[in-house]
Amino acid sequence: EVQLVESGGGLVHPGGSLRLSCAASAFTFSRYAMSWVRQAPGKGLEWVSLISGSGISTYYADSVKGRFTISRDNSKNTLYVQMNSLRAEDTAVYYCAKMYGDYKADAFDIWGQGTMVTVS
Amino acid sequence: QSVLTQPPSASGTPGQRVTISCSGSSSNIGTYTVNWYQQLPGTAPKLLIYSNNQRPSGVPDRFSGSKSGTSASLAISGLQSEAEADYYCAAWDDRLNGQVFGTGTKVTVL
Repeated sequence: EVQLVESGGGLVHPGGSLRLSCAASAFTFSRYAMSWVRQAPGKGLEWVSLISGSGISTYYADSVKGRFTISRDNSKNTLYVQMNSLRAEDTAVYYCAKMYGDYKADAFDIWGQGTMVTVS
Repeated sequence: QSVLTQPPSASGTPGQRVTISCSGSSSNIGTYTVNWYQQLPGTAPKLLIYSNNQRPSGVPDRFSGSKSGTSASLAISGLQSEAEADYYCAAWDDRLNGQVFGTGTKVTVL
C-alpha cells in the first residue's frame, strides 16, 4: 500500500528552525513530484512547496520563500522541508503529498497523516 | 487570501444533489486543470476529482467535476451523510508560480 509518513513536528520558538521528514513507501519515489501542504488550526489548505522527481526543480509559496527549503533523497525515499526563521503564522499541520506524476500542475493523489508544527 | 473562490457552505437533504463552485482566473483555472479534495473531519485530505472530471479508483460516481472557462464545479448527487466534509478545489497558478487551493466549502447533510 502506498504510504507517506511525516515526522519532525513539534513546538519551536519564533525565529527557530525545524526539519520535517516524509518517508515514502510502496511506489517508485523518484518518478513523482512531491509537495508540502499545510493547514493552520481551523483554516483551509495552503500549498507550501513542491519538488520535482529528480529534485532539480523546486517551487515555493510566497509566504515561505527564503525561509523554507524543500529537498528529497531518492535513495532513501524521503522528502524533507527545512524550516528556518519560523513565525507564529507558520503554526499548522504539515502534510506531505505525492503528486499524480512529475508535473508541477498535477494533483496530490496520496497524502500523509500530517505532523503538527507549533511556533510559540 | 486564496485566488480560488468557493462558497463557504453548501447543504442538502439525503438524496439531493449539491453543487460547489470554484471561481478563478486565466492564470489558474483558465489554463490548467482543476482538482478537488475531500477532507473528512479530523483526517487528511483525499483526492476526489483530478484533471477536471476524472475520478480516482474507489471514488463513487456520485461525485463529478466539470470546468468551463475560469470556473469549475463539483457535484455530489444522491447526497449521503458520509459526504459531510470540507471540499477544496485546486490548480496551478502561473502568476504565483505555485499551486493554489480554493477557500473551501463545508458540506452539511440536513
